[in-house]
Amino acid sequence: SQTIHQWPATLVQPVGSPLSLECTVEGTSNPNLYWYRQAAGRGLQLLFYSVGIGQISSEVPQNLSASRPQDRQFILSSKKLLLSDSGFYLCAWSRDLSNQPQHFGDGTRLSIL
Amino acid sequence: DAKTTQPPSMDCAEGRAANLPCNHSTISGNEYVYWYRQIHSQGPQYIIHGLKNNETNEMASLIITEDRKSSTLILPHATLRDTAVYYCIVSVSGTYKYIFGTGTRLKVLA
Repeated sequence: SQTIHQWPATLVQPVGSPLSLECTVEGTSNPNLYWYRQAAGRGLQLLFYSVGIGQISSEVPQNLSASRPQDRQFILSSKKLLLSDSGFYLCAWSRDLSNQPQHFGDGTRLSIL
Repeated sequence: DAKTTQPPSMDCAEGRAANLPCNHSTISGNEYVYWYRQIHSQGPQYIIHGLKNNETNEMASLIITEDRKSSTLILPHATLRDTAVYYCIVSVSGTYKYIFGTGTRLKVLA
């Protein structure tokens, strides 16, 4: 069966510090991968998605970037965090077929001080 | 902008069926409807999806109207653990992308 792992579960970072959140998927190959952010009490906002190694599509211009160095690894990064980067970050995967549901990880709760 | 409209909140008595409605009047012919739920501080959990036929699995049933402009998620015997935010999503045609709205906060009452 397929599993998705995100870490860390919680993170507290000072303003201006760098960020690296990692997501890995097991049990499938060539998945589509996604990063979402959820502000408190709000729905999920798609940040990035990837259909293959090195292929990243950005949905919202911002202070973040994403990379996919391996087939089942998706990384969310920032060089300098802003207060507005606080939120709940979720990684998801889906099969590389149309109309397949996305499956989410447990998320990382990021607080910027 | 979200392509779906849901009521912000609903209550349901424990043991009764919970019927969660969703409007998706601009849905295209090849776009699927997906339902997820999110329990506080967890990632969304996939429930069910469908195109035009009604669907049922171990978690729920999905009823899609014939014109496909609305759907209803049915939890046949709601339990307290079904208290969550339920999202109805239509994928963006020709892409792998979802656009999430704010969902329906379902509270199951003892």
